[in-house]
Amino acid sequence: GAVVSQHPSRVICKSGTSVKIECRSLDFQATTMFWYRQFPKKSLMLMATSNEGSKATYEQGVEKDKFLINHASLTLSTLTVTSAHPEDSSFYICSASGRANQPQHFGDGTRLSIL
Amino acid sequence: ELKVEQNPLFLSMQEGKNYTIYCNYSTTSDRLYWYRQDPGKSLESLFVLLSNGAVKQEGRLMASLDTKARLSTLHITAAVHDLSATYFCAGLTGTASKLTFGTGTRLQVTL
Repeated sequence: GAVVSQHPSRVICKSGTSVKIECRSLDFQATTMFWYRQFPKKSLMLMATSNEGSKATYEQGVEKDKFLINHASLTLSTLTVTSAHPEDSSFYICSASGRANQPQHFGDGTRLSIL
Repeated sequence: ELKVEQNPLFLSMQEGKNYTIYCNYSTTSDRLYWYRQDPGKSLESLFVLLSNGAVKQEGRLMASLDTKARLSTLHITAAVHDLSATYFCAGLTGTASKLTFGTGTRLQVTL
C-alpha cells in the first residue's frame, strides 16, 4: 500500500530554534500534501494544504510566516516551524494524496517539544 | 464550511458488549472516513464510505452512512480490549479534497 514517511519522529529543542519536518511519499507521486496539528486529547486540525510547485494554502488562523511549507517535488513536502516557542509544542502529522478525492495516506507524525 | 461532530467523546465498555459511535456532519460531504488512533501514534485508516446506504465491515467494526440524515455510525460488536483506541470520523469536501475531522471518541474496553 501507499507509504508516507515523516521525519523526525520526535524533536526536543530550545525556544527560538527553527525546526524542519519532512514528509515523503515513498511509492507514489503526491500532488497534494496536508499538514495537521494535534494537541493532546484533541482532534486533528488542518494547518495547510500544499500542492507541488505552488504556494501552500493556509487555514484561517495559521501564521504562514511561522509555519513555512515547501512542496518542491512530487514526493517531498517540508514544514518548518520558525523561532519555535513552547506553545508550538504539539503532534504534527502530514498526509499525502495522489489525486483529487483519492485517500490521504498519513505519516507517522512528529512530536515536537519546545523547552 | 463542513463541521463534524462525534458522540460520545469518551466511551468505557466491557468486553463482549456492543456499542455505536455516532458521527454527524453539517453539509454535504463527498465521502466519509473512519480512522483509528492509538496513543502516541498516527492515524490508521479503517473505512471509507462513498454513498448513501454504504455499509462496510471489518472484524468487530461496522461502519454505515446515511447521507440524508448526514450521519455515519461505527458499530462495535462484542468488544475486545484490543479495540481500545481513539476513533475519528472525517468528511471530505471541496476541490481541495480537505478532510474535516470529528472530535474523536476515546474508547476504553475493560476486561
